[in-house]
Amino acid sequence: DIVMTQSPDSLAVSLGERATINCRSSQSVLYSSNNENQLAWYQQKPGQPAKLLIYWASRRQSGVPDRFSGSGSGTDFTLTISSLQAEDVAVYYCQQYYSTPFTFGPGTKVDIK
Amino acid sequence: EVQMVESGGGLVQPGRSLRLSCAGSTFTFKNYAMHWVRQAPGKGLEWVSGISWNGATIIYADSVKGRFTTSRDNAKNSLYLQMNSLRPEDTALYYCAKAFGVVIPADLHDALEMWGQGTMVTVSS
Repeated sequence: DIVMTQSPDSLAVSLGERATINCRSSQSVLYSSNNENQLAWYQQKPGQPAKLLIYWASRRQSGVPDRFSGSGSGTDFTLTISSLQAEDVAVYYCQQYYSTPFTFGPGTKVDIK
Repeated sequence: EVQMVESGGGLVQPGRSLRLSCAGSTFTFKNYAMHWVRQAPGKGLEWVSGISWNGATIIYADSVKGRFTTSRDNAKNSLYLQMNSLRPEDTALYYCAKAFGVVIPADLHDALEMWGQGTMVTVSS
């Protein structure tokens, strides 16, 4: 199984400042057929289901604000919130869908400092 | 707007069975792989199972393999999770989720675009 790790476990960022979350997979999730990484990022607010933010590691889902961006390839990935807003307080998860089981990272909690 | 509505959760004793349902609407259900994801109280997300658009391929997490069975009825726009031999560690909020569908029909190997609100399963004596 591919093990997903995230760092940090939690972070507190001032409004308007940058938040950076890291995700690492225990093996590459790069799909050679299309040269895309099969890695997604989700946002989950309290009491709500998860919401897809980023797919293929760097493609923003429709309707997601452009302050959210994804980067990385192979085994190391980053989700960046360029200017944190109050509504971004949530837990963020990465997930690989390269090989089964489709594992999630443990989550990173983002708060306002 | 895409909608999925889960049902069938409840309180059940260890060793008993439960069947969850997920009804999809406002999208062409038969074109999309579907998944089950669960979340134990206060914990993170755990992928449970996925089924291809036509039901030909079904995959499971090791933690549920041999006990849970996923199926779908495209004529009824519905997804199911038959859960047998339930254990206390199966206690969780169970979500159904629709594959994104970068390519149609949407493959199992796809991000999870839309999630239902979940149905709670509690396994306790």
